[in-house]
Amino acid sequence: DAGVTQSPTHLIKTRGQQVTLRCSPKSGHDTVSWYQQALGQGPQFIFQYYEEEERQRGNFPDRFSGHQFPNYSSELNVNALLLGDSALYLCASSDRKFGQETQYFGPGTRLLVL
Amino acid sequence: AQSVTQPDIHITVSEGASLELRCNYSYGATPYLFWYVQSPGQGLQLLLKYFSGDTLVQGIKGFEAEFKRSQSSFNLRKPSVHWSDAAEYFCAVGAEDYKLSFGAGTTVTVRA
Repeated sequence: DAGVTQSPTHLIKTRGQQVTLRCSPKSGHDTVSWYQQALGQGPQFIFQYYEEEERQRGNFPDRFSGHQFPNYSSELNVNALLLGDSALYLCASSDRKFGQETQYFGPGTRLLVL
Repeated sequence: AQSVTQPDIHITVSEGASLELRCNYSYGATPYLFWYVQSPGQGLQLLLKYFSGDTLVQGIKGFEAEFKRSQSSFNLRKPSVHWSDAAEYFCAVGAEDYKLSFGAGTTVTVRA
């Protein structure tokens, strides 16, 4: 049973560019959440997708957007990259059908903005 | 809104010694509580979780945690630490809105 997968593993961009990160949830999971983890800090919630809609959003600007596909996979897009966007981006999947669910995390995508 | 405090930034423990990591949460209703572990350069692995019921929960790798509502705490313990337990540990609280709020983490160093 494959767990949560993310691609790419590492990415280097320059300021002002745009980036797309991808996530495939654990088999049987229908909900995908995205988190940003800056160096030395705990993960911060960006947003969550369920039934192809953004359901919850954390305190992140509109430069951060996402999408969920019918197969439950998800993308995180960040426009107009800033140096401060350098971080580990974590995707977590869960099964919402049974109420409060446990989130399982992927290995993350390390983004460096120069 | 919910929040988590992990008072200890860094803990050093000898191999074979016991370990306790502190976690205090703030949330108005019954919280859902989690402990995750992160090895360098890796994602987060779930150690254990508390939703309801027995306040002492068992997890993987020999870890356990105790939920104490009166103290708003969910401390993680392991009786005997192995060198492979060196990692960063995160406590998280979830609520009905399904998002997780994490603490800043505690780095555990294991000395031989």
